[in-house]
Amino acid sequence: KNQVEQSPQSLIILEGKNCTLQCNYTVSPFSNLRWYKQDTGRGPVSLTIMTFSENTKSNGRYTATLDADTKQSSLHITASQLSDSASYICVVSDRGSTLGRLYFGRGTQLTVWP
Amino acid sequence: EADIYQTPRYLVIGTGKKITLECSQTMGHDKMYWYQQDPGMELHLIHYSYGVNSTEKGDLSSESTVSRIRTEHFPLTLESARPSHTSQYLCASSEPLKGGNTIYFGEGSWLTVV
Repeated sequence: KNQVEQSPQSLIILEGKNCTLQCNYTVSPFSNLRWYKQDTGRGPVSLTIMTFSENTKSNGRYTATLDADTKQSSLHITASQLSDSASYICVVSDRGSTLGRLYFGRGTQLTVWP
Repeated sequence: EADIYQTPRYLVIGTGKKITLECSQTMGHDKMYWYQQDPGMELHLIHYSYGVNSTEKGDLSSESTVSRIRTEHFPLTLESARPSHTSQYLCASSEPLKGGNTIYFGEGSWLTVV
């Protein structure tokens, strides 16, 4: 069964600290992996997209890594800010269909305290 | 910045009422999607469209219906709302996913049925 599991479910850190969020998936055949940031009550916003051949991608203070062999990805946030408080969702796409089906994790709820 | 818009953002309606959630995008994307998301839970695909006059049901069974008469417009309709329909509905659009293209989400429509 194709699944996307994220950990931790929730995380509280102090402003200025770094943190790493995890995503494990069983989706096959794999096409690409996306990380999204979703503020409370808003739609998800794309942070990074990685295909099979990419193992790291950065977007400002956000750095995503991908290990396609172990089917794991991580999102590292550097020097956290209060505005980083949000849910971070891992989304994996397969290539077994024309649509390129998406599988969503439940997200990690990050809270940054001052 | 995503050019995809949803209205209304928030709506409270009575049981049995008919409601249409509007979604429009100005990016010329052929693929559009409707997702349903309960608080703290993952997104579930309820409808998608490859293009004009093309609509398909998603993974999660839904009593809603959709139409795609114009490329930019993908409305979702509930003929008779029930309390179980209370949820957040997210519209999205993209170029072909296999290319690793970004999926753009709207801000969401929060529906409460009383």
